[in-house]
Amino acid sequence: AAGVIQSPRHLIKEKRETATLKCYPISRHDTVYWYQQGPGQDPQFLISFYEKMQSDKGSIPDRFSAQQFSDYHSELNMSSLELGDSALYFCASSPTGIGSYNSPLHFGNGTRLTVT
Amino acid sequence: SQQGEEDPQALSIQEGENATMNCSYKTSINNLQWYRQNSGRGLVHLILIRSNEREKHSGRLRVTLDTSKKSSSLLITASRAADTASYFCATDDTGGFKTIFGAGTRLFVKA
Repeated sequence: AAGVIQSPRHLIKEKRETATLKCYPISRHDTVYWYQQGPGQDPQFLISFYEKMQSDKGSIPDRFSAQQFSDYHSELNMSSLELGDSALYFCASSPTGIGSYNSPLHFGNGTRLTVT
Repeated sequence: SQQGEEDPQALSIQEGENATMNCSYKTSINNLQWYRQNSGRGLVHLILIRSNEREKHSGRLRVTLDTSKKSSSLLITASRAADTASYFCATDDTGGFKTIFGAGTRLFVKA
């Protein structure tokens, strides 16, 4: 079975530019999560969606926004990029209707964003 | 870390030895999970233990959970070089739709 697909795998942007990261969850997974992981750091929770509605929010900057579409794929939009936004961005999905309650997350391989 | 500390931060052992990693967390939880991450790759789920469970086994993995101390441990027995990776604990708190990760332990198993 196909796993979580993220695109692009690598992205290089300049300061103040915008970036859009895409995530395609596993089939029939209705919950999507976004994480940011800096070098040598733990994954930081950004935001989650359940059934196309935002379900929880973490340390996501106001410059970032995200949404989940009718086909359950999700996009993370990042504007006014800063050097500190350089990181690995992971998307994960889970199958339960109440978020990840007693269900593990399935991660994609991430998008490596480099801001120069 | 958004959630808590992992101990140790790094661990280097010989193949065949056991590796123990500890994790502490801050909130009330529904479950605690352990994930593995190879460098620059996505995290892979290893094992989930519910808040009403105290111990769980999966192959060479043994996880314990002490909710009174808000702590968990992951034991990998008979380690192999292929176990070299970073290991993270993560918790689903009782209040929301998010899984919060701890700081991780870097395990290096020498052949």
